[in-house]
Amino acid sequence: RKEVEQDPGPFNVPEGATVAFNCTYSNSASQSFFWYRQDCRKEPKLLMSVYSSGNEDGRFTAQLNRASQYISLLIRDSKLSDSATYLCVVKFNTDKLIFGTGTRLQVFP
Amino acid sequence: DGGITQSPKYLFRKEGQNVTLSCEQNLNHDAMYWYRQDPGQGLRLIYYSQIVNDFQKGDIAEGYSVSREKKESFPLTVTSAQKNPTAFYLCASSVLAGGYEQYFGPGTRLTVT
Repeated sequence: RKEVEQDPGPFNVPEGATVAFNCTYSNSASQSFFWYRQDCRKEPKLLMSVYSSGNEDGRFTAQLNRASQYISLLIRDSKLSDSATYLCVVKFNTDKLIFGTGTRLQVFP
Repeated sequence: DGGITQSPKYLFRKEGQNVTLSCEQNLNHDAMYWYRQDPGQGLRLIYYSQIVNDFQKGDIAEGYSVSREKKESFPLTVTSAQKNPTAFYLCASSVLAGGYEQYFGPGTRLTVT
């Protein structure tokens, strides 16, 4: 089993739709969680950290479910500019971050 | 204007040559990292450094070497011993090691023929 698993997609959604991605992780002792966004042939950019209580930033909401060992990202009112690959990132009990392979989102007009 | 810079953006080398990729940050971050990304794969950690004059091997260090003589700089050398060097190389930094958010440079796309 991979340490961090994501559905590769693509998720094809129309503008204005709501879309959600999940990411599962294998280590119950995981301590920190992040979502990054990566555009084609560009570097990953931090989208948001994921806190135990969940957090929201505009149209983006992240949730953590420790019991089931997954985190989620919800995007409301999708924009064309949201088209990208979304990387789930988890810190296990080391100094390293583990990156998922990403979920590709394509928003169409 | 704070950030991480990597140069060059594209690099072409012949097999058997060593090549050094540059990474500089002016964020005053203690920790720096090198990853490689191959198509359809997640980022894989090559080396990381928690502090000046110290670095540790990541998951795929074979065929690579690094140095950390200055806080701002963490160059990566891809040696001829690296079997499959063609990849997208990403440098990142974080305020401290240990699970803090990492910020990435724009990457160097290396092609070895």
